[in-house]
Amino acid sequence: GEDVEQSLFLSVREGDSSVINCTYTDSSSTYLYWYKQEPGAGLQLLTYIFSNMDMKQDQRLTVLLNKKDKHLSLRIADTQTGDSAIYFCAETTGANNLFFGTGTRLTVIP
Amino acid sequence: DSGVTQTPKHLITATGQRVTLRCSPRSGDLSVYWYQQSLDQGLQFLIQYYNGEERAKGNILERFSAQQFPDLHSELNLSSLELGDSALYFCASSVSGRIEGLYNEQFFGPGTRLTVL
Repeated sequence: GEDVEQSLFLSVREGDSSVINCTYTDSSSTYLYWYKQEPGAGLQLLTYIFSNMDMKQDQRLTVLLNKKDKHLSLRIADTQTGDSAIYFCAETTGANNLFFGTGTRLTVIP
Repeated sequence: DSGVTQTPKHLITATGQRVTLRCSPRSGDLSVYWYQQSLDQGLQFLIQYYNGEERAKGNILERFSAQQFPDLHSELNLSSLELGDSALYFCASSVSGRIEGLYNEQFFGPGTRLTVL
């Protein structure tokens, strides 16, 4: 469960939707997470999804999980300038420690 | 504010030196995790302690060691420092160490930025 990949950069216009993608390799992952890191700050958990779910919605955030393709995505509706940050997907297996992706830097253009 | 505190916030030192990073978990959390964020390696898990005992080990170098004390705070010791050890070191805590199939959220501290010159 240690190969988690993301595209490095994403730019969107304010008000549009952002979709950040992630692929993972460990089929035994139990939970998959999305974390947000703002400049100079720590990691903030945005949302998570259990591996037996396909979708989870939480206000402006929608997480989609395709277990067959080992693909996870985070959709942010009505993206705002305050959403500019680095977004990490992460997975845990039985050991509970997190394996993080490479991170996607989201830039929101006013 | 996650409730996890880390000190110091910044640390600047020279190659070959030894430093200690400190972490206080959230009240009631028994498990502490250390992560390293660097440009080369990204965010990677180093080590986990649960109630004073080592629980899991990741990509932690032999020059690095950690411990968790009876009051549950943890220290990460980095010795014989190299330029490549410059990174942001995060501590996280959770209530439990390992619960199969159950959600066990980790709360992250603000990190200690280590610069090795």
